[in-house]
Amino acid sequence: DAGVIQSPRHEVTEMGQEVTLRCKPISGHNSLFWYRQTMMRGLELLIYFNNNVPIDDSGMPEDRFSAKMPNASFSTLKIQPSEPRDSAVYFCASRRDRGNEAFFGQGTRLTVV
Amino acid sequence: DAKTTQPPSMDCAEGRAANLPCNHSTISGNEYVYWYRQIHSQGPQYIIHGLKNNETNEMASLIITEDRKSSTLILPHATLRDTAVYYCIVRVKEGAQKLVFGQGTRLTINP
Repeated sequence: DAGVIQSPRHEVTEMGQEVTLRCKPISGHNSLFWYRQTMMRGLELLIYFNNNVPIDDSGMPEDRFSAKMPNASFSTLKIQPSEPRDSAVYFCASRRDRGNEAFFGQGTRLTVV
Repeated sequence: DAKTTQPPSMDCAEGRAANLPCNHSTISGNEYVYWYRQIHSQGPQYIIHGLKNNETNEMASLIITEDRKSSTLILPHATLRDTAVYYCIVRVKEGAQKLVFGQGTRLTINP
């Protein structure tokens, strides 16, 4: 298995633009997590899905952020409009419900200028 | 999930054992102790987990106190590649449980 795949690896965009981050979880995993990491705030859980259904989105910072999981093999995190303070590394992770490990992707480094 | 407390940073000499402590005094009977680490620029990586017995795998050993209020992750022969932030997490194993990271311990292995 190729592991959790995130795209793009790097994204530079201008303030006000829409940004879409993508994640392909490991096949057979039914929980998917989106995290944001900054130096100031550490690794923050934004939202997690179970069986494609959003279970807890209390970490989503504001209405500019939205996440979808249309099927078991794909999820997106969208920021519209983007702001400089959204600059961070965004990680996606997946896990089987009864599994011990969560597997993380390599992350997307987002820079909003 | 129960809260965990870890020292913000530690140093260890290469080749020596690195012992990383974690306090989880409010842990519940059905909560497991998990350890992850994050090497610079990479996503976190699972290391080990346990309930009440000591555990060992190819990466590390986990020692959980009898009252389960604290634990220690042991890297028996630390190498420079073990320099990372180590996270201790307490959560229920079963079901769709979210995974929440604290600030972790930044471990630096010195040559």
